[in-house]
Amino acid sequence: LAKTTQPISMDSYEGQEVNITCSHNNIATNDYITWYQQFPSQGPRFIIQGYKTKVTNEVASLFIPADRKSSTLSLPRVSLSDTAVYYCLVDSWGKFQFGAGTQVVVTP
Amino acid sequence: NAGVTQTPKFQVLKTGQSMTLQCAQDMNHNSMYWYRQDPGMGLRLIYYSASEGTTDKGEVPNGYNVSRLNKREFSLRLESAAPSQTSVYFCASRAGLGQGEAEQYFGPGTRLTVT
Repeated sequence: LAKTTQPISMDSYEGQEVNITCSHNNIATNDYITWYQQFPSQGPRFIIQGYKTKVTNEVASLFIPADRKSSTLSLPRVSLSDTAVYYCLVDSWGKFQFGAGTQVVVTP
Repeated sequence: NAGVTQTPKFQVLKTGQSMTLQCAQDMNHNSMYWYRQDPGMGLRLIYYSASEGTTDKGEVPNGYNVSRLNKREFSLRLESAAPSQTSVYFCASRAGLGQGEAEQYFGPGTRLTVT
């Protein structure tokens, strides 16, 4: 399983863009990258998934460089409700591991 | 659709007692998972079932057993509870294992305390 490394925490102000980078040096050819968000006392919620280049949905963008050894989750114009823990996973045909995640705190 | 449901929501056990955590999904998903989450930590996979009739160990299977009763239901059993098993337990399901089926849907969790 490819291990992931993320910053432990990040602080931001409302309205700013937050970029969380995840390192996954030993990602395999067929693996893909998935990001989850977790609020206190709740189960994680899927945000986005990608294999290479850029993926965008209504809540986030995911940037993956050509070597795929890292990925960056971009949250545009965060609000207080985006305060949560964000997890990066490398999914190898249904095998993956949650890391410690990145605690993002958004303040007014 | 209810999504993923878990029972009970809370449970207190004494050391050595046994119990079964129930999980059910109504999304016709093939794969189901059991995780535990200790305070301030990420989720750790206990067991998973890639499809009906199969189960496999995850990262921390010791002290637990699972049963994939049918496609909808996946239960987790603690045969002899220990204080180290105090945690929040999450069940999750996903359609399959492929890239287009990556999204896991999580239940609300069961908060278990073992005294």
